[in-house]
Amino acid sequence: KNEVEQSPQNLTAQEGEFITINCSYSVGISALHWLQQHPGGGIVSLFMLSSGKKKHGRLIATINIQEKHSSLHITASHPRDSAVYICAVRGGVQGAQKLVFGQGTRLTINP
Amino acid sequence: DAGVIQSPRHEVTEMGQEVTLRCKPISGHDYLFWYRQTMMRGLELLIYFNNNVPIDDSGMPEDRFSAKMPNASFSTLKIQPSEPRDSAVYFCASSFSLAGGPHTQYFGPGTRLTVL
Repeated sequence: KNEVEQSPQNLTAQEGEFITINCSYSVGISALHWLQQHPGGGIVSLFMLSSGKKKHGRLIATINIQEKHSSLHITASHPRDSAVYICAVRGGVQGAQKLVFGQGTRLTINP
Repeated sequence: DAGVIQSPRHEVTEMGQEVTLRCKPISGHDYLFWYRQTMMRGLELLIYFNNNVPIDDSGMPEDRFSAKMPNASFSTLKIQPSEPRDSAVYFCASSFSLAGGPHTQYFGPGTRLTVL
């Protein structure tokens, strides 16, 4: 079993729909990252969180440490949101910088 | 800032040849990471440095892979000899540290390596 599991693996939706991508992990962590990989291949860090919720524009990330689960939400989705979204966790040892990645969720938003 | 710079962006080589990938981290960042991405295995950490010192190289596949960071502004990842299974996109990322707290990693554009 992978340390980081994402669901769904693929998601297709219509423009304007509310999107949820889930991430579950099996180890203790100090932080969780959500990354976006564009069709061209570039990787951008969207969020880094260790508790609660963060919001940036139409994107919201939440984490439940007790349940070892995080969600990434996109409100009013747009075709430009089409990308692969990757969840990654950083180990629980303070100062540890190693990231372990999920397999990614490929999101396609149709106009 | 120009962001993390990687070169070359694309490399095609023949099996058995030496390959050197280069990375310039963001100025002021004290962590540097090398990742590999393949369709089968996704993103994997190969090695990371803190203040130019290798901290964790447990992800380096085998002795054919080596990485160096001679100074704070430059790192190399070398594969010698290269094999077709090394074909992948190699990403470099950098970050800064805050006492006791997590921080964001900034990724370079990647080097797409094809070994024939």
